[in-house]
Amino acid sequence: DIQMTQSPSSMSASLGDRVTITCRASQDIGNYLSWFQQKPGKSPRRMIYGATNLAAGVPSRFSGSRSGSDYSLTISSLESEDMAIYYCLQSIQYPRTFGGGTKLELK
Amino acid sequence: EVQLVESGGGLVQPGRSLKLSCAASGFTYSNYVMAWVRQAPTKGLEWVASISTGGGNTYYRDSVKGRFTISRDNAKNTLYLQIDSLRSEDTATYYCAINTLDYWGQGVMVTVSS
Repeated sequence: DIQMTQSPSSMSASLGDRVTITCRASQDIGNYLSWFQQKPGKSPRRMIYGATNLAAGVPSRFSGSRSGSDYSLTISSLESEDMAIYYCLQSIQYPRTFGGGTKLELK
Repeated sequence: EVQLVESGGGLVQPGRSLKLSCAASGFTYSNYVMAWVRQAPTKGLEWVASISTGGGNTYYRDSVKGRFTISRDNAKNTLYLQIDSLRSEDTATYYCAINTLDYWGQGVMVTVSS
């Protein structure tokens, strides 16, 4: 199975900060990487697909990038509504595997 | 508007069975690969199973193989997850989703406890 190692597991940041979350894949997954946002009591929401593509309706302050086997989700200027848990997911093969999640909190 | 509505959850004793349903609407259901994803209380997301458009191909995570069965009825626009031999570690919210995970249901809670 492909392991997705996500870091950090939690972080605190201030409004307006630039925030970056990273996932590393244990095998080549190409660009088969998505990012999800989950708020308490809610279903996950896909933010990024294909490593770099912004999902419909997602604010442009969110972006995804890839460097080798490292994938990043960046929020260019943090807003209060961005406080949530973020997960990465590889979808190149079954079983699909998620990263462990990053809890983003307000400093 | 895409809608996925799960049902069938509840409190179940260990070793018993449960069948979850997911009613789909707002899209051509038979054209889409579908999936179940679960989340144990305070834990992360865990993909459970996926099923091809016609139902002929199914995929499972190792920990549920032989106990979980994913199926679909394209005439009824409904996805199912049969869960047998329930264990405490199956306690979770179960989400139905289009396999690309761009659309999710609201989730249904399954609690396994005596």
